[in-house]
Amino acid sequence: DAGITQSPRHKVTETGTPVTLRCHQTENHRYMYWYRQDPGHGLRLIHYSYGVKDTDKGEVSDGYSVSRSKTEDFLLTLESATSSQTSVYFCAISDRVPGGYTFGSGTRLTVV
Amino acid sequence: KQEVTQIPAALSVPEGENLVLNCSFTDSAIYNLQWFRQDPGKGLTSLLLIQSSQREQTSGRLNASLDKSSGRSTLYIAASQPGDSATYLCAVPSGNTPLVFGKGTRLSVIA
Repeated sequence: DAGITQSPRHKVTETGTPVTLRCHQTENHRYMYWYRQDPGHGLRLIHYSYGVKDTDKGEVSDGYSVSRSKTEDFLLTLESATSSQTSVYFCAISDRVPGGYTFGSGTRLTVV
Repeated sequence: KQEVTQIPAALSVPEGENLVLNCSFTDSAIYNLQWFRQDPGKGLTSLLLIQSSQREQTSGRLNASLDKSSGRSTLYIAASQPGDSATYLCAVPSGNTPLVFGKGTRLSVIA
C-alpha cells in the first residue's frame, strides 16, 4: 500500500538467529502495529506503538521485541527465531484511536 | 476479551448472485468496525469502515451494516463477479485497544 512499506518481503532464516523486520510509513501516523497471520488462527496482534518510544504488548508478544525511535519506523525483532515463528507478518498504521487501519503488504518469514 | 466470529468460513457462489457475509462480536462497546479484503498471498485492503453511530456504509456494490446491540455486522455484495473472489475479514477494536480480527470468510465466485 502506498505510504507503508515492509522489508524484507521474504526471508528464510535458521533457528536461533536474530531477525529484524522493518515497517516504514510516510503518512506521519501516530499508531503502528505488528500482526502475524497463521492458518487457523487468523491475524493476531504482536506489539503496537502509540508514539515514539511508546509501545505495548499484544496477544502473542512472547519471543518478540519492538522499537520505535522515529515516527516513520517500527521494527520487530525476533531475538532467537524458532520454527513456531514461521508466519506472515503484517504491519499496520492508523492516525487515531479508534480509527481505520492501513496495512502493509506483509513479510513472509520462514524459520528452518 | 473481544472475540470476533465470521460465518461461513468458506462460500462458493455462481457469478451474478447477491450474497451476505456475517460477522459477530462479543463486546458490543465498540467505536467502529472495519471490513477488509485479502487476496491470496497479499496484504489487507480496507473496504469499509463503519462507525458505531452509523447503521450502514456503502461503497459501490458493497454495503456493510452494523447492529451494535446484537453484536453483528453484515457485508452485502451485490451482483458478485469472479474478481470478488478473496478472503473477507472483519475487525473491531476492543475499547481503545487495537483491532481484533475474525478468521475470515473465503469467497469463491464461479464464472
